[in-house]
Amino acid sequence: GQQVMQIPQYQHVQEGEDFTTYCNSSTTLSNIQWYKQRPGGHPVFLIQLVKSGEVKKQKRLTFQFGEAKKNSSLHITATQTTDVGTYFCAGSRNSGGSNYKLTFGKGTLLTVNP
Amino acid sequence: NAGVTQTPKFQVLKTGQSMTLQCAQDMNHNSMYWYRQDPGMGLRLIYYSASEGTTDKGEVPNGYNVSRLNKREFSLRLESAAPSQTSVYFCASSEGTSVVYEQFFGPGTRLTVL
Repeated sequence: GQQVMQIPQYQHVQEGEDFTTYCNSSTTLSNIQWYKQRPGGHPVFLIQLVKSGEVKKQKRLTFQFGEAKKNSSLHITATQTTDVGTYFCAGSRNSGGSNYKLTFGKGTLLTVNP
Repeated sequence: NAGVTQTPKFQVLKTGQSMTLQCAQDMNHNSMYWYRQDPGMGLRLIYYSASEGTTDKGEVPNGYNVSRLNKREFSLRLESAAPSQTSVYFCASSEGTSVVYEQFFGPGTRLTVL
């Protein structure tokens, strides 16, 4: 079945350093989503990428979708303590309809030392 | 709007006991999902319901049953709980008909099976 691999599993940074997490799929994806889960909380949607080579920015966060639509990355510039949490990528091969299933990566836990 | 609500928040069961996890959403979403989250394993899909009246197996359905009671409610039942079902369970919903299939998660149920 479809597999989504995410690295690294853990990342500890000093506040102000940059952070990147990478996501790779064994199959071509129709789209990829990113979620953030704060410690003890639930996953919260950040963004969805649909187009090959797409790049989207949200303030200090930059999301990329690979040309082959099999990989993606999330880059955070100048991390802050509020960035602490686990970041998940989630991919889908469905292109429409309401039977939309996501396959989640195992996540990257980011901790930030103030 | 409450979004996605789940009950109970915490539960301890003995091996062999049964229980039902409740989930409701007030966003008029078509699709609903049940995930389990285990340390280092990310989110794994147990069952989903693309629309009212339909349910389908996800990645890890064994030991679980679901009921889509109406458009708002989607319950998960453990008929004979096992220690391997100790986990955090998240319910989620999505519109299922728009371009962005963002999933909204509930706060989770933390289940321990002794």
